[in-house]
Amino acid sequence: DADVTQTPRNRITKTGKRIMLECSQTKGHDRMYWYRQDPGLGLRLIYYSFDVKDINKGEISDGYSVSRQAQAKFSLSLESAIPNQTALYFCATSVGIGANVLTFGAGSRLTVL
Amino acid sequence: DQQVKQNSPSLSVQEGRISILNCDYTNSMFDYFLWYKKYPAEGPTFLISISSIKDKNEDGRFTVFLNKSAKHLSLHIVPSQPGDSAVYFCAASDNYGQNFVFGPGTRLSVLP
Repeated sequence: DADVTQTPRNRITKTGKRIMLECSQTKGHDRMYWYRQDPGLGLRLIYYSFDVKDINKGEISDGYSVSRQAQAKFSLSLESAIPNQTALYFCATSVGIGANVLTFGAGSRLTVL
Repeated sequence: DQQVKQNSPSLSVQEGRISILNCDYTNSMFDYFLWYKKYPAEGPTFLISISSIKDKNEDGRFTVFLNKSAKHLSLHIVPSQPGDSAVYFCAASDNYGQNFVFGPGTRLSVLP
């Protein structure tokens, strides 16, 4: 099994619908992140959490919310999806000690019609 | 304005030759830099890192060079192999990885 698992892998939805992307990890890392990838823009940080009681906004948090249900679970919600939220979404984890390295999930491709 | 730039969207190299991928940054507070490789339908995977106290780090065929005065780093792959064909992202962080800023990526194609 993958260290960082994202569900669903692909989702097509309509404008105005509520969508949740889920992430779980088996690495035992405290830190979890949600990134969005768009062509030509690289990976941009949406939200991050350094432990269960800590939630922080990233560069592009508008229109998104997150929930850290447990150390191993971090979900991203789009309360009312819009077409410009069509993108590839990645969850990542890191240990948070010393020189950090992010471990990414395989991604969730979301299309909003 | 992008804090981390990869000005070449794509690069093609013959198998066996050297691949050089470039990355520029604007924030002088960045002190830790990483390269990630991404294949289609997979998440990015960590390749190599360098901290600001070094100017070079090697790992097998991969070497990263850091020029702090120019705010520039480069990834050298020697020799290049067809399996190296992927998108490469440069990432930078301050405080040794509290938060990362990624560049837009360079698509490397290694031709047999």
